[in-house]
Amino acid sequence: NAGVTQTPKFQVLKTGQSMTLQCAQDMNHEYMSWYRQDPGMGLRLIHYSVGAGITDQGEVPNGYNVSRSTTEDFPLRLLSAAPSQTSVYFCASSSQGGRTEAFFGQGTRLTVV
Amino acid sequence: KQEVTQIPAALSVPEGENLVLNCSFTDSAIYNLQWFRQDPGKGLTSLLLIQSSQREQTSGRLNASLDKSSGRSTLYIAASQPGDSATYLCAVEDTNAGKSTFGDGTTLTVKP
Repeated sequence: NAGVTQTPKFQVLKTGQSMTLQCAQDMNHEYMSWYRQDPGMGLRLIHYSVGAGITDQGEVPNGYNVSRSTTEDFPLRLLSAAPSQTSVYFCASSSQGGRTEAFFGQGTRLTVV
Repeated sequence: KQEVTQIPAALSVPEGENLVLNCSFTDSAIYNLQWFRQDPGKGLTSLLLIQSSQREQTSGRLNASLDKSSGRSTLYIAASQPGDSATYLCAVEDTNAGKSTFGDGTTLTVKP
């Protein structure tokens, strides 16, 4: 009964460092996506995937990479962290065609200093 | 490009009141519209999902409606309680596969 699991929950990076935010779901959902949420704002789409081996850019993709080698996992890579990437990151999954609700992880709070 | 707007940005009501939150979107080509609740420092919890072919969904004290042609949805909360205090977000899922666009949310405070 795990749903969507994100790790880590908190992370502090120095400018220029790289890291990977992990996301895993156990519901066999085709669709997975990454969002960032900044204070007072809604969620903005970074990258999304409609199935293993297929990814595409969202609204704010610069500075981030993704891959989808399995249905279950969708990691988000920060290539060279910048203070502007300080945010809360959410991973979500849903079934194809919007048939079911989207499920969200609990978020990763990232601070870049 | 899909744009989602939520009005009001913040709302404060006394306990027991019925209230309506509004969501509007610019592109009616959607798979579904979903309402979420977010508590401070937490993730998003789905409240109601309305498929594009549906007009409304109900769950307990919550009722969500969808008028796709006019690009509007409302979330009605009956007999509000202090525990309803949270930020409510609406999101529309694009028919172009797997993309959801969120509004900025309405922060609701229900005073005892």
